[in-house]
Amino acid sequence: DAGVIQSPRHEVTEMGQEVTLRCKPISGHNSLFWYRQTMMRGLELLIYFNNNVPIDDSGMPEDRFSAKMPNASFSTLKIQPSEPRDSAVYFCASSSISTGGTGELFFGEGSRLTVL
Amino acid sequence: SQQGEEDPQALSIQEGENATMNCSYKTSINNLQWYRQNSGRGLVHLILIRSNEREKHSGRLRVTLDTSKKSSSLLITASRAADTASYFCATVFLGGNQFYFGTGTSLTVIP
Repeated sequence: DAGVIQSPRHEVTEMGQEVTLRCKPISGHNSLFWYRQTMMRGLELLIYFNNNVPIDDSGMPEDRFSAKMPNASFSTLKIQPSEPRDSAVYFCASSSISTGGTGELFFGEGSRLTVL
Repeated sequence: SQQGEEDPQALSIQEGENATMNCSYKTSINNLQWYRQNSGRGLVHLILIRSNEREKHSGRLRVTLDTSKKSSSLLITASRAADTASYFCATVFLGGNQFYFGTGTSLTVIP
């Protein structure tokens, strides 16, 4: 299996531009998570999907952030407009969550975003 | 914040020594997991311990869980230079499937 695939690996953009990060989860996994990692705040859970449905988006920082999962094999995280404080590494992770939540997370390699 | 906290934040040891990292969390959990992150890479799952378990082993890893103190520890025995990485605990709370990560411990193993 190819694992969780994220693109782009690196993105440099200017403030105000739209950024779209993409994720392909592991085939057969029913849950997908987006995380943001910074030195100051560590790993923050942004949003969690189960069976393509957003279950918890309480971690999305503000309305500039949106996430979609149109099907079981693809998800996007969009920032519009982007700001310098959005600079971070964004991780996508997938899992096969059974009743009782005992799955493990499989992470992609991350998308490093720099907003100038 | 629902994040746990690891301590120490950074740990430097000689190859062959044991490394112990601790994790504290705030609310009742379903299970607790430990992950490793090499520089510039994604996190990799190491071991899972359920709330009704007290200790678990996997190779050179030993994890303990004390639900009364809401804490866990990860012991890496006979450390190797290749163990150099950041280690995170992740908690899955009761009634949810979200994974919340701690602040991480940066481990350096000196050859």
